[in-house]
Amino acid sequence: GENVEQHPSTLSVQEGDSAVIKCTYSDSASNYFPWYKQELGKRPQLIIDIRSNVGEKKDQRIAVTLNKTAKHFSLHITETQPEDSAVYFCAASSSSGGYNKLIFGAGTRLAVHP
Amino acid sequence: DAGITQSPRHKVTETGTPVTLRCHQTENHRYMYWYRQDPGHGLRLIHYSYGVKDTDKGEVSDGYSVSRSKTEDFLLTLESATSSQTSVYFCAISDPMGGARGYTDTQYFGPGTRLTVL
Repeated sequence: GENVEQHPSTLSVQEGDSAVIKCTYSDSASNYFPWYKQELGKRPQLIIDIRSNVGEKKDQRIAVTLNKTAKHFSLHITETQPEDSAVYFCAASSSSGGYNKLIFGAGTRLAVHP
Repeated sequence: DAGITQSPRHKVTETGTPVTLRCHQTENHRYMYWYRQDPGHGLRLIHYSYGVKDTDKGEVSDGYSVSRSKTEDFLLTLESATSSQTSVYFCAISDPMGGARGYTDTQYFGPGTRLTVL
């Protein structure tokens, strides 16, 4: 089955710096890769996702890149702000357009210091 | 928040007792999921449902059962709770209308239930 590894487990940056979180997956059939942000005591919330027919996607300060050959994808946050501090999870699944079984990475705790 | 509620939000129980967690949604989503979240493991899928009375196992289904007799409710039951089932449980749904991007597989999570088994 699918296995997703996420690095680093913790990341500390200064406000205004960039942050990069990387994930690798094992199943070449995976075609859907979402990223979730979870603040303390809250539910995971989708921040961006990418599908295997796209190599890069950007939404304001957040971007995700996908390398299908190497089976890895990355989250890039530019101009970080204290409110970006949270735990970030990557996930992968082979979606057929209906239900899909997401396999999550273990998470990255991002701390943005003013 | 995709109209998802979970009950109870917090529960403390003793080893060996049965526990049922409820996920309720108001927007007629077809696909529903139960995950557990533990430190160092991210979120792991327990069971999922692709329609009324249609359910299947996820990656950590041992010790759990589910039922879906109505579209709006997805129940997770621990027949005999153990301390290893102490966790935060999240329900999720897939967007049935595909949302703005036209896909049906984006998952949205409920607020979670914190379960402690003593």
